[in-house]
Amino acid sequence: EDKVVQSPLSLVVHEGDTVTLNCSYEVTNFRSLLWYKQEKKAPTFLFMLTSSGIEKKSGRLSSILDKKELSSILNITATQTGDSAIYLCAVGAGAGSYQLTFGKGTKLSVIP
Amino acid sequence: EPEVTQTPSHQVTQMGQEVILRCVPISNHLYFYWYRQILGQKVEFLVSFYNNEISEKSEIFDDQFSVERPDGSNFTLKIRSTKLEDSAMYFCASSPGGTQYFGPGTRLTVL
Repeated sequence: EDKVVQSPLSLVVHEGDTVTLNCSYEVTNFRSLLWYKQEKKAPTFLFMLTSSGIEKKSGRLSSILDKKELSSILNITATQTGDSAIYLCAVGAGAGSYQLTFGKGTKLSVIP
Repeated sequence: EPEVTQTPSHQVTQMGQEVILRCVPISNHLYFYWYRQILGQKVEFLVSFYNNEISEKSEIFDDQFSVERPDGSNFTLKIRSTKLEDSAMYFCASSPGGTQYFGPGTRLTVL
């Protein structure tokens, strides 16, 4: 059975701090790893990673995949209260239509 | 920016009733999905749909569930006889192949 594990499950930081969120996976026929941000409802797409060692960046967020270690990290620098959300890691695997297996998420709370 | 839309945003139904949840995927996307998230739990895959047929489904997607793309734009999930444990947020997603974009969800409450 495919498995995605995220850590920590929750995190409280002060504005301006840098955080690192972790995701590890055990899946058959890995195809990609995706990060989503979930605030009130729908997961909002952040990054899709397919190649090891290539960092993807968007503003203060960045992410990198390590296929050897079967893991990924999501970094957020200079955190703001608007970064407070649940961050979901999902892995696309198998042949065919690419269903996603999600982790439980990391709940990030940024306090002023 | 195009986005996936879902209706209704909240549906309350009695146990045993049929419900239909509706989604309009992003146009020109080829793959369509339904996921659900029971309160406090992980997002779980239900079914994927490509080329007018189901391509994969999970163990959750039993005979009580069906999906349809009745026209060129809508994608529906039907639950024939709802159970209490079907109460969850149901997300539709669409993809051109690769990244999946999620709709805002329908909260289904079964009483």
